[in-house]
Amino acid sequence: DADVTQTPRNRITKTGKRIMLECSQTKGHDRMYWYRQDPGLGLRLIYYSFDVKDINKGEISDGYSVSRQAQAKFSLSLESAIPNQTALYFCATSLGGNTEAFFGQGTRLTVV
Amino acid sequence: GQQVMQIPQYQHVQEGEDFTTYCNSSTTLSNIQWYKQRPGGHPVFLIQLVKSGEVKKQKRLTFQFGEAKKNSSLHITATQTTDVGTYFCAGKASGSRLTFGEGTQLTVNP
Repeated sequence: DADVTQTPRNRITKTGKRIMLECSQTKGHDRMYWYRQDPGLGLRLIYYSFDVKDINKGEISDGYSVSRQAQAKFSLSLESAIPNQTALYFCATSLGGNTEAFFGQGTRLTVV
Repeated sequence: GQQVMQIPQYQHVQEGEDFTTYCNSSTTLSNIQWYKQRPGGHPVFLIQLVKSGEVKKQKRLTFQFGEAKKNSSLHITATQTTDVGTYFCAGKASGSRLTFGEGTQLTVNP
């Protein structure tokens, strides 16, 4: 079983709909991240959390929100999806700020 | 803010040729990490470099961290089809978040 699990793996939604992407981890890490991947743009940080009571904006947080329900769970919401949010989304965890990141399998989101 | 730039964006090689991707930061880094993402997969950690001028090897892969800790490179000797994928560097400056480069997509023709 994967240490970092994302659901769903693929999703097609309509413009204006609210959608939630979920991430859970069994690594016991405090730090969790949401990234967006677009061709040629690498991995851009949307939000990150260092513990259950800590939420921080990344470089592209507009149009997104997150919830850290527990140490093991970090969900990403698009309140009103738009087509330019079509992308591959990755959740990641790390033990500390200078340690490797472990990525989930990714969620491919298409907004039509 | 901190920027990490990676070149080239794409690289096509014949199997057996060497490959190098370069990573440059706008600020001095405390460490740099390298990841590989296979087609259809997720990024997987390869290595972390911390010291100025550090060189680390993993079989055919050689990683370098510049003396000024603002640049890094990944060199693959004699590429194989299993090397196909996108290679990302990710740099972290003191007090800042990890920032990923744009990635280099490597294709290997058999």
